[in-house]
Amino acid sequence: AQSVAQPEDQVNVAEGNPLTVKCTYSVSGNPYLFWYVQYPNRGLQFLLKYITGDNLVKGSYGFEAEFNKSQTSFHLKKPSALVSDSALYFCAVRDGNYGQNFVFGPGTRLSVLP
Amino acid sequence: NAGVTQTPKFQVLKTGQSMTLQCAQDMNHEYMSWYRQDPGMGLRLIHYSVGAGITDQGEVPNGYNVSRSTTEDFPLRLLSAAPSQTSVYFCASSYGGSSYTDTQYFGPGTRLTVL
Repeated sequence: AQSVAQPEDQVNVAEGNPLTVKCTYSVSGNPYLFWYVQYPNRGLQFLLKYITGDNLVKGSYGFEAEFNKSQTSFHLKKPSALVSDSALYFCAVRDGNYGQNFVFGPGTRLSVLP
Repeated sequence: NAGVTQTPKFQVLKTGQSMTLQCAQDMNHEYMSWYRQDPGMGLRLIHYSVGAGITDQGEVPNGYNVSRSTTEDFPLRLLSAAPSQTSVYFCASSYGGSSYTDTQYFGPGTRLTVL
């Protein structure tokens, strides 16, 4: 069965510093990987996805993610964090058992400190 | 486009009461889903639909019913609410077909408390 792990419940980073939010996955077959962000009292917003091709994927709001097949990882990164990036981040993988739906990781709360 | 809309935003129920959470999308998406979000557990799939008239169970379907009479609407029914159903509920939609590359778009959520 597909699964997603986000090993850190909380990540703290100073504004202007680079940030990384970690994600590892386990899938049978091709991995289709997504990152979503949830701001307080809001729904999930799509950031980026990896389908195939270049291992470095660029997405919204200056975020990017690096796909590493050998380490089964899909870490989210940003070169310079903003206070407004503070939110809950979810990594997700397409779940072949349920059509186009996702298996989500538990989420990582990112706090960017001024 | 309004995207995916959900009503109500907040609801408090007593154990045993029933209610329907509404979800609508105006993007002509074939695929719609319901998830619940609980702290530390991410989102878990309740039910989904690949098109009007077709629904299927997800990972945690017990206690919930769905129907899909139109492409736009996908209501979620709680027949007899239980405290274990206290959660935040999200509706999502995507274009459809057999593509695994489509992005799912999420509504703003309904926060449900069952006393």
